[in-house]
Amino acid sequence: AQSVTQLDSHVSVSEGTPVLLRCNYSSSYSPSLFWYVQHPNKGLQLLLKYTSAATLVKGINGFEAEFKKSETSFHLTKPSAHMSDAAEYFCVVLGGATNKLIFGTGTLLAVQP
Amino acid sequence: GAVVSQHPSWVICKSGTSVKIECRSLDFQATTMFWYRQFPKQSLMLMATSNEGSKATYEQGVEKDKFLINHASLTLSTLTVTSAHPEDSSFYICSAQPVSYEQYFGPGTRLTVT
Repeated sequence: AQSVTQLDSHVSVSEGTPVLLRCNYSSSYSPSLFWYVQHPNKGLQLLLKYTSAATLVKGINGFEAEFKKSETSFHLTKPSAHMSDAAEYFCVVLGGATNKLIFGTGTLLAVQP
Repeated sequence: GAVVSQHPSWVICKSGTSVKIECRSLDFQATTMFWYRQFPKQSLMLMATSNEGSKATYEQGVEKDKFLINHASLTLSTLTVTSAHPEDSSFYICSAQPVSYEQYFGPGTRLTVT
């Protein structure tokens, strides 16, 4: 069965510093992986997705993630954090033949001025 | 493109009453729609999957008689919380899926049962 583990429940960075949100996946075959962002009381927005093409995936708002099969990881990064990046981030895997999305527990990103 | 709306965005109801939440795909047809529940500061839990014109498939532990889902058209799915109780208070999020695997999420509906 597919699953994702987000290694940090909270991450705090200063504005202008790099962001790293960690995600490890478990899958019996090549997974489809996503990162979503959720701002307070808002719906989820897709940041980026990996679907077995290029391992380095670029998303919106300067975010990118690298699929590393050897490490079973799909960490989300951004070179320079903005105040507007403060939100909850979810790492998600597509659940095989069911087409169901399986969500990680989320990482709350705080950006300090 | 790929906009999904939910109505209402926030609803308060009294215990014992029923509440209907609508999920619409505004600029595409959704063969499949999903309903999720999110408790405060927690992740999304899939409640059910609905395909247009057929009965919804509920996840284990979700009461199908309490959470009625209707997917009457390719652009509309409804979730009715019947005989709501305070423990049903939550953030309900729908997503719509066109032919491809990608899901597009609505903004969510916050339900408060008093």
